[in-house]
Amino acid sequence: GAVVSQHPSRVICKSGTSVKIECRSLDFQATTMFWYRQFPKQSLMLMATSNEGSKATYEQGVEKDKFLINHASLTLSTLTVTSAHPEDSSFYICSGDFQETQYFGPGTRLLVL
Amino acid sequence: GQQLNQSPQSMFIQEGEDVSMNCTSSSIFNTWLWYKQDPGEGPVLLIALYKAGELTSNGRLTAQFGITRKDSFLNISASIPSDVGIYFCAGQSNTDKLIFGTGTRLQVFP
Repeated sequence: GAVVSQHPSRVICKSGTSVKIECRSLDFQATTMFWYRQFPKQSLMLMATSNEGSKATYEQGVEKDKFLINHASLTLSTLTVTSAHPEDSSFYICSGDFQETQYFGPGTRLLVL
Repeated sequence: GQQLNQSPQSMFIQEGEDVSMNCTSSSIFNTWLWYKQDPGEGPVLLIALYKAGELTSNGRLTAQFGITRKDSFLNISASIPSDVGIYFCAGQSNTDKLIFGTGTRLQVFP
């Protein structure tokens, strides 16, 4: 149990476009999901906490207008990178909270050209 | 953002050897977790520790929650090639947020 999926697994986009990444909890309901970003050879850095039915809570330094988070159901949270730039290229990973433990998705690799 | 200090940064060992890595923090945590990440994938939970002083095993893996609640270690015994990957510690306080360590990259040679 406690499986989290992400879609797409990788995406390439042009600078200035927007990209939406989906995070789904497949066999549990997650009132809370988390979005992380991981640059090459670095650790995971929390970007925001996504709460079902309410606004996301963003970490310091993360622009909420650039990284739009929607958590409209107990099994789906989406992260939209708006007006993407090359510096947004990274590995984006989500996690769902199940029985006080976070289970991670397989990640989405974003490359902005 | 905050990160936990994890050491060593990388390890190159021979198959069959034991491995030890640790994680330290300036803050107290209520929960310590150890994850393994393979290239291009998300982290997978290995061991969760909920109580200061707790020693927990999962197969060849053993982890301990430091008595000061500011550190934790992970041991891997009799390493095998599939142990290759990046190991992250993570601390959790009263909120659901996880603070990750800097990672230990493990390479196992046959």
